[in-house]
Amino acid sequence: DVKVTQSSRYLVKRTGEKVFLECVQDMDHENMFWYRQDPGLGLRLIYFSYDVKMKEKGDIPEGYSVSREKKERFSLILESASTNQTSMYLCASSPALQEAFFGQGTRLTVV
Amino acid sequence: KQEVTQIPAALSVPEGENLVLNCSFTDSAIYNLQWFRQDPGKGLTSLLLIQSSQREQTSGRLNASLDKSSGRSTLYIAASQPGDSATYLCAVSGGSYIPTFGRGTSLIVHP
Repeated sequence: DVKVTQSSRYLVKRTGEKVFLECVQDMDHENMFWYRQDPGLGLRLIYFSYDVKMKEKGDIPEGYSVSREKKERFSLILESASTNQTSMYLCASSPALQEAFFGQGTRLTVV
Repeated sequence: KQEVTQIPAALSVPEGENLVLNCSFTDSAIYNLQWFRQDPGKGLTSLLLIQSSQREQTSGRLNASLDKSSGRSTLYIAASQPGDSATYLCAVSGGSYIPTFGRGTSLIVHP
């Protein structure tokens, strides 16, 4: 079975902190994605990556950056956390044109 | 820009009913469509993937159909059970290979 693992299920951070969300997949997938999910807004794409060191902005990249130094790992970075970044963060991976698999999600609260 | 709409937004049915969830998309130039299930506070679980050349896919009590030309897909759940209670999301992938999501249908199956 494909496994996508997010480093934390729940996270509480203070305003202004630098926050790292880690995602690891074990199936050598080319594509990896970061979404955030908010009530009434659905899933919105933050960043995606087609390959190592490749990254593209999604619909809502402001306040975020990403890093993909190895194929299996895609990190989401909140440079200076703010309360409006309190959300559920979901990582996914897929081979090109095939099924996408998601991690268990990270519920981030910024206080 | 691709837009995905899911109707109804919420559904409550008695156990044993057969039910249909609807998904529509505005741009028919897709590579695939995927149905997911999400339990409260959890990540997304892939249910079915339909490639653009296919008309339907089946898994157990689930059957998903795709009419690409009209921009529609349906997820049919036979003999619903309380354990089917969850939010069901559809996502379409086009030329950019990035899944675009609808906002989901929240399903409650009561005993």
